[in-house]
Amino acid sequence: DTVLTQSPALTVSPGERVTISCRASESVSTLMHWYQQKPGQQPTLLIYLASNLESGVPARFSGSGSGTDFTLTIDPVEADDTATYYCQQSWNDPWTFGGGTKLELK
Amino acid sequence: QVTLKESGPGILQPSQTLSLTCSFSGFLLSASSVGVGWIRQPSGKGLEWLATIGWKDVKHYNPSLKSRLTISKDTSNNQVFLKITSVDTADTGTYYCAHSDPGYNYFDYWGQGVMVTVSS
Repeated sequence: DTVLTQSPALTVSPGERVTISCRASESVSTLMHWYQQKPGQQPTLLIYLASNLESGVPARFSGSGSGTDFTLTIDPVEADDTATYYCQQSWNDPWTFGGGTKLELK
Repeated sequence: QVTLKESGPGILQPSQTLSLTCSFSGFLLSASSVGVGWIRQPSGKGLEWLATIGWKDVKHYNPSLKSRLTISKDTSNNQVFLKITSVDTADTGTYYCAHSDPGYNYFDYWGQGVMVTVSS
């Protein structure tokens, strides 16, 4: 299976720029997607196909990368962005998710 | 407006079969380029994709669980079902169904999830 590795946690201050990384154990082309999950809620799609912003998602969110290295950027970060962020690949079977990055604000 | 809602037994015993239902609205599973998937999440842990069914009744399973999974659909009643046989405590968690793009297989609409506990 394709393993997606994310940093477990990040702490930033409101107004800062934050980058969340996701590294794949093998190439996933650009079939990488990003989700936000707030405590007690279901995940919501932020970015699909590496860099496409889902409708209704603030333009503060952006995605980049291809192959094995991907980044989700939030600029500027707001208090409401406190959540866990997951990457998911759909290039290699089975589709897999990263372990999640918990974003906390100071 | 796309909505999905999961339902299930809540609690069941080891070795039993888990039956889950996803009831949805706002799209037709008989329409092209539509899929519904199941994803689960143990408490406090990450996400695991289980299975997806597409509009042509094409079924796609996670190989690690394939022998225990059956996904099916009732197009007339806008429902998708998932059965997991021989459950054990490791199957405890929240189960989500989600609308997917069957071409690129990302999940753009999610249900609220249903908690399932396997306990003797």
